[in-house]
Amino acid sequence: GAVVSQHPSWVICKSGTSVKIECRSLDFQATTMFWYRQFPKQSLMLMATSNEGSKATYEQGVEKDKFLINHASLTLSTLTVTSAHPEDSSFYICSARYSPGEQFFGPGTRLTVL
Amino acid sequence: AQRVTQPEKLLSVFKGAPVELKCNYSYSGSPELFWYVQYSRQRLQLLLRHISRESIKGFTADLNKGETSFHLKKPFAQEEDSAMYYCALSVGGSNYKLTFGKGTLLTVNP
Repeated sequence: GAVVSQHPSWVICKSGTSVKIECRSLDFQATTMFWYRQFPKQSLMLMATSNEGSKATYEQGVEKDKFLINHASLTLSTLTVTSAHPEDSSFYICSARYSPGEQFFGPGTRLTVL
Repeated sequence: AQRVTQPEKLLSVFKGAPVELKCNYSYSGSPELFWYVQYSRQRLQLLLRHISRESIKGFTADLNKGETSFHLKKPFAQEEDSAMYYCALSVGGSNYKLTFGKGTLLTVNP
């Protein structure tokens, strides 16, 4: 099946710094990618929809200035957590849309903000 | 807005027993329903979707529009079926984004 990678797989940073997470579709082109957040033992919460070449669409309650999304190519989307705080610590997962309704998921990135 | 409900957080069965993971949804139109599975230490992956009407790893799911349900069933559970199962809904448009239920952790005991 199609493969989606994320980098880094885990990151620890100090409060106030910014962290960039990359999501790549390795063997297919994805015009649409999605960013999710998953808290421990909870379901995935969609943060935003990333479309190649245009602005991301954020879900209600997600701060677009805090979670910057860039989808510069058909195989790469990035999520930058700006001025990270401990409450931003979470598991961030991306997915790439392969066909209508079907998404392939990345392995996730564990962010810990000290 | 659409919503997906998985009433059971945990489900435990013995090997060889039938298993049913429940999923109900709310949406006024015609959604597309999916089951995604996450095995231990692995990424989320698609198990099956209602439009394909196929059986994957012995699992089947039928969309019941009258009851707005999409329950996942398997007649004889195997230990390797132990995983987290998420029911998800897509309403088309909006780039086909998915709305997930909270998930059911299935444990199949030997």
